[in-house]
Amino acid sequence: EVQLVESGGGLVQPGASLKLSCVASGFTFSDYWMSWVRQTPGKTMEWIGDIKYDGSYTNYAPSLKNRFTISRDNAKSTLYLQMSNVRSEDTATYYCTRDPTNWELGVMDAWGQGASVTVSS
Amino acid sequence: DIQMTQSPPSLSASLGDKVTITCQTSQNINKYIAWYQQKPGKAPRLLIGFTSRLVSGIPSRFSGSGSGRDYSFSISNVESEDIASYYCLQYDNSPWTFGGGTKLELK
Repeated sequence: EVQLVESGGGLVQPGASLKLSCVASGFTFSDYWMSWVRQTPGKTMEWIGDIKYDGSYTNYAPSLKNRFTISRDNAKSTLYLQMSNVRSEDTATYYCTRDPTNWELGVMDAWGQGASVTVSS
Repeated sequence: DIQMTQSPPSLSASLGDKVTITCQTSQNINKYIAWYQQKPGKAPRLLIGFTSRLVSGIPSRFSGSGSGRDYSFSISNVESEDIASYYCLQYDNSPWTFGGGTKLELK
């Protein structure tokens, strides 16, 4: 069974940094591109970015590129999202997702349960 | 960024109805649109990719169609388990962008 389990969320002060993790199981992690997506309390969905299966390439939403960094450790089957200089508008549930190699099957075909991040003083 | 105009924002249906949700994009996305279902407190779930490709295990009452800038998603014979929010996503161009969502409720 494909599983993605996020951790590292919580309450963080504005301007601070936070690192989310996502541990994958049930599939060969190193074969897949992976993405991060967030959903605001108002239910707006936003794609944050993705990372190539070997970690050699990342792609970000332009509005987040300067503050968010995606990385992975294939030996640990773990995906990361480093968030810096967080703002109140970063308050959201953060999901890690898996991207199939064949886009004709869609993208983001598996999702974690989400990690809640609240930015507040 | 490609803008996704999803409508309606909410939809009220009776069991057995057919409902349709549309997404209009700000430019041609070459059929690279996916549809997701999200139930309260749960993560989204991929239902359809590449406009009309039903994910394995998803009931055939779900369907998608469209081309260019205009796409639609339908549920025929709505069942109680279909009560959820639905989102479209374009993945033709980075950054991938979502529609605003449609909340399906029972009449």
